[in-house]
Amino acid sequence: KAGVTQTPRYLIKTRGQQVTLSCSPISGHRSVSWYQQTPGQGLQFLFEYFSETQRNKGNFPGRFSGRQFSNSRSEMNVSTLELGDSALYLCASSPGLAGSYNEQFFGPGTRLTVL
Amino acid sequence: EDKVVQSPLSLVVHEGDTVTLNCSYEVTNFRSLLWYKQEKKAPTFLFMLTSSGIEKKSGRLSSILDKKELFSILNITATQTGDSAVYLCAVENSGYALNFGKGTSLLVTP
Repeated sequence: KAGVTQTPRYLIKTRGQQVTLSCSPISGHRSVSWYQQTPGQGLQFLFEYFSETQRNKGNFPGRFSGRQFSNSRSEMNVSTLELGDSALYLCASSPGLAGSYNEQFFGPGTRLTVL
Repeated sequence: EDKVVQSPLSLVVHEGDTVTLNCSYEVTNFRSLLWYKQEKKAPTFLFMLTSSGIEKKSGRLSSILDKKELFSILNITATQTGDSAVYLCAVENSGYALNFGKGTSLLVTP
């Protein structure tokens, strides 16, 4: 089974621009979660989608948004980029079934640098 | 506020040593605790623990959860240089979110 894929792997943007990151989950998984990883804050939860619906959202400003498509692929958008948005953005997929224990498997990440 | 604390933050051992990594947590609506290994790439899944007192094992790695005392340990026996990595502990709440600790950076020297 193919793992979680993320594109692009590396991205360089300037302040004020916006960016869209993409994540394709493991086949059959319907939940996609997004995380931001920085040296200072570690891994922080951004949001989680299941069957095109956002089920949970972390404590990030509204500049961070996401969506999920009917094939479970997900995109994350960051608008009006700030220097502090430079990070590794990871997505994780899981079956996401309510009432079950769902292991989350991570993709390789997108390294975003904001200049 | 949910909190996951790992200790120690870093550790240097010699090949062949046994190490114990600690993870304590305070999480509302606990569902499960997960351990991941992260080298210079994405975290790779090691274990998921949901019940107290049941040890999970995979080769030289093992882990156990204590839901009464709110902690978990990850043991690595007969360490090898390939075990050098950051080990992350995460707790899942009922909102499908993983709350991560800061990680333990393990360096195994030859």
